[in-house]
Amino acid sequence: NAGVTQTPKFRVLKTGQSMTLLCAQDMNHEYMYWYRQDPGMGLRLIHYSVGEGTTAKGEVPDGYNVSRLKKQNFLLGLESAAPSQTSVYFCASGRQSPYGYTFGSGTRLTVV
Amino acid sequence: GDSVTQMEGPVTLSEEAFLTINCTYTATGYPSLFWYVQYPGEGLQLLLKATKADDKGSNKGFEATYRKETTSFHLEKGSVQVSDSAVYFCALSKGNQGGKLIFGQGTELSVKP
Repeated sequence: NAGVTQTPKFRVLKTGQSMTLLCAQDMNHEYMYWYRQDPGMGLRLIHYSVGEGTTAKGEVPDGYNVSRLKKQNFLLGLESAAPSQTSVYFCASGRQSPYGYTFGSGTRLTVV
Repeated sequence: GDSVTQMEGPVTLSEEAFLTINCTYTATGYPSLFWYVQYPGEGLQLLLKATKADDKGSNKGFEATYRKETTSFHLEKGSVQVSDSAVYFCALSKGNQGGKLIFGQGTELSVKP
């Protein structure tokens, strides 16, 4: 019963460095999402995917890229990290509304 | 565009007090509505949901009714416990938009013994 697994859980980056966050789900969900959570702003959608090989931009996509080469995995990339990308990142997966999502436990990223 | 507005927190209550967290939404069409809960240091968990007008979602003593006439989905619990201390998020989703969830800003609840 792994559900949605995010790796890593914590990371500190220097400005300009790159990294990839991995999200893996074992529930055969079609839809996957990346959100960022910042104090007082709730969760904001970065990118999402409605199926293997497809991706789409969300509310705050700038500075991020994603890939969904396999149905179970959704990768979020930061090509050149900036301090404004310091946040907690959540991945989620689900079926079409109205079933809601299953969330991962989050990745806390600090860019210095 | 579609949006969700929640009452601002933090909300501090004594154990066994009655809880209401207000949530209103703006959306075209017929969204589904959700309440998620986030305990300290964890991800979000689905608390309850409602898919059409007048539906009542309930779970763990929490309830919320989908009121289309007032575009609201207020969360209530008759008697809160210390273990209910968490951040609560109201959200909506529409099936024709890739199932995306649009969240409110969250309301922090602190319950004191």
